[in-house]
Amino acid sequence: GIQVEQSPPDLILQEGANSTLRCNFSDSVNNLQWFHQNPWGQLINLFYIPSGTKQNGRLSATTVATERYSLLYISSSQTTDSGVYFCAAANTGNQFYFGTGTSLTVIP
Amino acid sequence: NAGVTQTPKFQVLKTGQSMTLQCAQDMNHEYMSWYRQDPGMGLRLIHYSVGAGITDQGEVPNGYNVSRSTTEDFPLRLLSAAPSQTSVYFCASSYESSTDTQYFGPGTRLTVL
Repeated sequence: GIQVEQSPPDLILQEGANSTLRCNFSDSVNNLQWFHQNPWGQLINLFYIPSGTKQNGRLSATTVATERYSLLYISSSQTTDSGVYFCAAANTGNQFYFGTGTSLTVIP
Repeated sequence: NAGVTQTPKFQVLKTGQSMTLQCAQDMNHEYMSWYRQDPGMGLRLIHYSVGAGITDQGEVPNGYNVSRSTTEDFPLRLLSAAPSQTSVYFCASSYESSTDTQYFGPGTRLTVL
């Protein structure tokens, strides 16, 4: 399967700060998604981004497929951004491989 | 729409007991999947289905069975529970395949004593 590594494992930010989360994957992929798991455990899909750049409000993501990495940018962080951010990758077939996540804490 | 629903929310089993975790979606999604989440390990795919009557194994299928008799339902069966199956279980669905936006259920927290 695909090895997915995320960094940093933990991140603490002051409210209003910006951050970059990184996801490295070991093989070529045709599917790369970012998810947010809130403190209550609910998982929400943020981006489907096998290549290129997308933006949604204060969040944006970039995947450079040829170099096997993806970045998630969070600008002007808010306390509601706290939680764990996962990336997940797949190549052929329908099997997703998740990273171990980045735990983000935003303090007021 | 209720989205993806899972029952029960919590369950405690004794070693060797069997049970079924229920998952249902009302979005007419073809693709459904089951994951387990263990501390510090992210989510790992157990089984998935690309449509009614079609299932396949994921990364960690041992000890689990699935079936997909309808588009809406995708139950996960533990035939003989083991302490190693203590975990949080998530069901997810998407429109046609894993390339579509994945919608997750709220999870089932299972403890096997």
